[in-house]
Amino acid sequence: AQSVTQLGSHVSVSEGALVLLRCNYSSSVPPYLFWYVQYPNQGLQLLLKYTTGATLVKGINGFEAEFKKSETSFHLTKPSAHMSDAAEYFCAVTLDTGRRALTFGSGTRLQVQP
Amino acid sequence: EAGVAQSPRYKIIEKRQSVAFWCNPISGHATLYWYQQILGQGPKLLIQFQNNGVVDDSQLPKDRFSAERLKGVDSTLKIQPAKLEDSAVYLCASSLTLQETQYFGPGTRLLVL
Repeated sequence: AQSVTQLGSHVSVSEGALVLLRCNYSSSVPPYLFWYVQYPNQGLQLLLKYTTGATLVKGINGFEAEFKKSETSFHLTKPSAHMSDAAEYFCAVTLDTGRRALTFGSGTRLQVQP
Repeated sequence: EAGVAQSPRYKIIEKRQSVAFWCNPISGHATLYWYQQILGQGPKLLIQFQNNGVVDDSQLPKDRFSAERLKGVDSTLKIQPAKLEDSAVYLCASSLTLQETQYFGPGTRLLVL
């Protein structure tokens, strides 16, 4: 079975500062990894995903994430935070087999201070 | 392209009452998922359909929850009777196939009093 751990339920950064949201996974087989963003009262929107190939993945809104197998990590970064980035971010994993349902982490709420 | 539609957006009921949620996936998407998101947690899969067949319902509390996707398009999720701990957001997602990206609807926020 797979699992996801997101370190830090709340992260606060200043506008223009680096954003780093941490995600570690546990999986017995090669995983597919995702980051989703959820704005208040809205559904989840896909930011980026890693399936195979290049381990540095670029997504929407200037976000990127790097798959590090040796560290079982898939941290999300953005060089310069914008006020509109304030939201909840979820890391998720699924396996390259079978049902493909997502297993989500508990989420990290990002606050951006002016 | 229209996204995943869900209704109602909000529902307040008393415990032991029944409630139903509706989901219309993106046109042509064969796979449909229902997730439960309790406040402060990530979404958790309740049931997964491939066309009108159930792929995974291992985490669905079958004594009170039921779901169907009769024609392989729309789906309904029902809770009967509801408990206080069922208060959550119920998210519907769809994907073109099992291997494709899941797209989420806005969710139905349920409060059980």
